[in-house]
Amino acid sequence: DAGITQSPRHKVTETGTPVTLRCHQTENHRYMYWYRQDPGHGLRLIHYSYGVKDTDKGEVSDGYSVSRSKTEDFLLTLESATSSQTSVYFCAISERGRGPTNEKLFFGSGTQLSVL
Amino acid sequence: GESVGLHLPTLSVQEGDNSIINCAYSNSASDYFIWYKQESGKGPQFIIDIRSNMDKRQGQRVTVLLNKTVKHLSLQIAATQPGDSAVYFCAEINTNAGKSTFGDGTTLTVKP
Repeated sequence: DAGITQSPRHKVTETGTPVTLRCHQTENHRYMYWYRQDPGHGLRLIHYSYGVKDTDKGEVSDGYSVSRSKTEDFLLTLESATSSQTSVYFCAISERGRGPTNEKLFFGSGTQLSVL
Repeated sequence: GESVGLHLPTLSVQEGDNSIINCAYSNSASDYFIWYKQESGKGPQFIIDIRSNMDKRQGQRVTVLLNKTVKHLSLQIAATQPGDSAVYFCAEINTNAGKSTFGDGTTLTVKP
């Protein structure tokens, strides 16, 4: 998956607990994205980053925060997980981009998160 | 066929046949379109893209057709193989607004 590693691959947690998902890339791409994928909704953008310490909100950012301290790492944090955040989370990268995306994305293998 | 944002249709074809997967997009300002393939348990994988100044683009065994008049996109896969079995979805992108919308996808099943 284009030098993108997501961890963990699976996570089960309880409502109200904090959760952090990690995305690591070896492509040295500038743009990184977090999406969630749910039946009936397609991929929806949570947050994205256009450089170290430069991040912005996507269409479904409520309840999520991100951090990017190094080019290769992009973290997604659920401060207090809720059942509505049960989903498959995908990290993606792109070499260029303007705004959320204007070119093809390369995706990681995803993290299946279950909030009980 | 598929409409961006609606439920998942399915397509079943015999190995060796050609497949056509459809996508109806919603925004006439969208000027860039991408087809992705997603196998079970994996992330989406780029297949082919097309810009709005074109109406056809060919890749290896795949062709994308764009009809801007009716806001319709299709993916044609020639000589479909079992390894083509996956969910295929389109993305419409308004590059000026920096906004993209992904469809749910179509499940393609290839029968040997």
